[in-house]
Amino acid sequence: EAQVTQNPRYLITVTGKKLTVTCSQNMNHEYMSWYRQDPGLGLRQIYYSMNVEVTDKGDVPEGYKVSRKEKRNFPLILESPSPNQTSLYFCAITDRGSNEQYFGPGTRLTVT
Amino acid sequence: KQEVTQIPAALSVPEGENLVLNCSFTDSAIYNLQWFRQDPGKGLTSLLLIQSSQREQTSGRLNASLDKSSGRSTLYIAASQPGDSATYLCAVRSGGSNYKLTFGKGTLLTVNP
Repeated sequence: EAQVTQNPRYLITVTGKKLTVTCSQNMNHEYMSWYRQDPGLGLRQIYYSMNVEVTDKGDVPEGYKVSRKEKRNFPLILESPSPNQTSLYFCAITDRGSNEQYFGPGTRLTVT
Repeated sequence: KQEVTQIPAALSVPEGENLVLNCSFTDSAIYNLQWFRQDPGKGLTSLLLIQSSQREQTSGRLNASLDKSSGRSTLYIAASQPGDSATYLCAVRSGGSNYKLTFGKGTLLTVNP
């Protein structure tokens, strides 16, 4: 079964200090994406990637960057984090065979 | 723009009851619908996926139905147990090449022993 790993799982940082949340998969799935989850707003897509070097914005991309240099990894980069980016972040992959999406365990980010 | 609504927002039942969670979506042109379970502070676990051409899917005590024309899905849980307590999320994938899921806000289920 597909597995998605995120690191770190918990992070407390200060405004403006660049950070990266890593996401890796144990299979060779092409499609990966990032979501954030906030109380009252649910899960919203930040960025997605259809394949290596192919990325595009989701619904809430402001303040985030991504890269996809290899198929297994899809890091989320916050160049200058702000308190409104305090959230629970999930990386997901799609198994194109079954069309099922699998989510990582989540990264809880607090920006003070 | 696709919108997904889940009713009720919270549900509390005694152990052993059968229950139904509801999900509705505004755009019936969906590719598939997926039900997830989320435990507090944890990730999402996929429960069932229904393709747009299917009417229902079953896994153990869970049965999910899909009525695409009316924009509705239900998740039926039989003989509920305290271990079923969690938030249940409904998500739809609309047509197109983007695999984005649009999520409802979830139903918080509590099963009391």
